[in-house]
Amino acid sequence: DVVMTQSPLSLPVTLGQPASISCRSSQSLVYSDGNTYLNWFQQRPGQSPRRLMYEVSNRDSGVPDRFSGSGSGTDFTLRISRVEAEDVGVYYCMQHTHWPHTFGQGTKVEIK
Amino acid sequence: EVQLVESGGGLVQPGGSLRLSCGASGFAFSSSWMSWLRQAPGKGLEWAAHVNPDGNEKYYVDSVRGRFTISRDNAKNSLNLQMDSLRAEDTAVYYCVKDGGRSWGQGTLVIVSS
Repeated sequence: DVVMTQSPLSLPVTLGQPASISCRSSQSLVYSDGNTYLNWFQQRPGQSPRRLMYEVSNRDSGVPDRFSGSGSGTDFTLRISRVEAEDVGVYYCMQHTHWPHTFGQGTKVEIK
Repeated sequence: EVQLVESGGGLVQPGGSLRLSCGASGFAFSSSWMSWLRQAPGKGLEWAAHVNPDGNEKYYVDSVRGRFTISRDNAKNSLNLQMDSLRAEDTAVYYCVKDGGRSWGQGTLVIVSS
């Protein structure tokens, strides 16, 4: 199985400051069609997960543009340009290039 | 608006069975890959099972293969998960998910305990 490793696992941030989460995969996530199936999810306390980004850098509708995704191959990053109070929660990267689809351990974002 | 509504969760004894259902609306269900994901209490996310739009390609994570069966009824816009030989480690919130995580239901809690 493809192992997804996130860092850090805990991320205290100051409101208005940037934040960055790293995600590394144990294998390349480039599929045979040339696409890279790496998504990012946000799970607010007590809620179902919500997809933020798909195929590395495409923002889902309704997701604020302070969220951005980048990376290639095995190394990916989710950035929040200016953290707001509503961004508190756990963030997961997930690959669906290989079966079984696998998630990172999650990064808990909290306000300092 | 996409809606996914799970039902069927509850308390079951180890070795028992449970059938989860998911009612879908607001999108072309018969054209969508559908999945069941789960989240143990206080833990991360796991992709349990996955089915193609026609229902003839099914994938399972190793931990549930041979015990869980995913199925769909495109005429009724419903997704099912038959769970047999349940174990304590199957205790989790089970989510019905569309298209690689694009949309999620609210989840249904399954507790396997004596």
